[in-house]
Amino acid sequence: QVQLVQSGAEVKKPGASVKVSCKASENTFNTYYVHWVRQAPGQGLEWMGIINPSGETTNYAHKFQGRVTLTRDLSTTTVYMELSNLRFDDTAVYYCGRRMRGAPYDALDIWGQGTMVTVSS
Amino acid sequence: DIQVTQSPSSLSASVGDRVTITCRTSQSISDYLNWYQQTPGKAPKLLIYGASNLQSGVPSRFSGSGSETDFTLTISSLQPEDFATYYCQQTYDSYPFGQGTKVEI
Repeated sequence: QVQLVQSGAEVKKPGASVKVSCKASENTFNTYYVHWVRQAPGQGLEWMGIINPSGETTNYAHKFQGRVTLTRDLSTTTVYMELSNLRFDDTAVYYCGRRMRGAPYDALDIWGQGTMVTVSS
Repeated sequence: DIQVTQSPSSLSASVGDRVTITCRTSQSISDYLNWYQQTPGKAPKLLIYGASNLQSGVPSRFSGSGSETDFTLTISSLQPEDFATYYCQQTYDSYPFGQGTKVEI
């Protein structure tokens, strides 16, 4: 079964940017939509955005519009999430997730292991 | 925006108990509701999609029901590995999650 492997933990200063990667073990990953979700320490899940298979179309949660950018590199089966102008409350685990096919419900059936991003001065 | 309200926020239960978690939306979402399970330090795991469809590999003690604005996740006989936090997610309008329900002993 396909696995999604995310990049390692990051520590950033306020105002900086972070770019997290999500790489799949199979080329079929390039035919799937990919979501990004984050989870602050001790908190719930927060949806951030989605990118289509070609990478040409993205949809972001209102809260993150203007600060988040999703991109993908089809040649390396990798999707990226970049968050700019980081604030202390952006400290969280960031997950990528594959949107399942065969049903119209946009469920995330396979998840990456998560990437911890810490914003600290 | 469609609001998602999940309840309770936590519950105490014992092995073998029947557990019910509820998710309510502020507007009708048909059956665009998914359920996930998360254990500490792990990524969420898809349990139910489209309100009532069991994801492949998920034990049959998990079931989902409901439509429009009211949805339920039921665990028919709680097992030790089921102690976790459960989230609903509506995908009719954007993709927000509920606040989560922690199932503990």
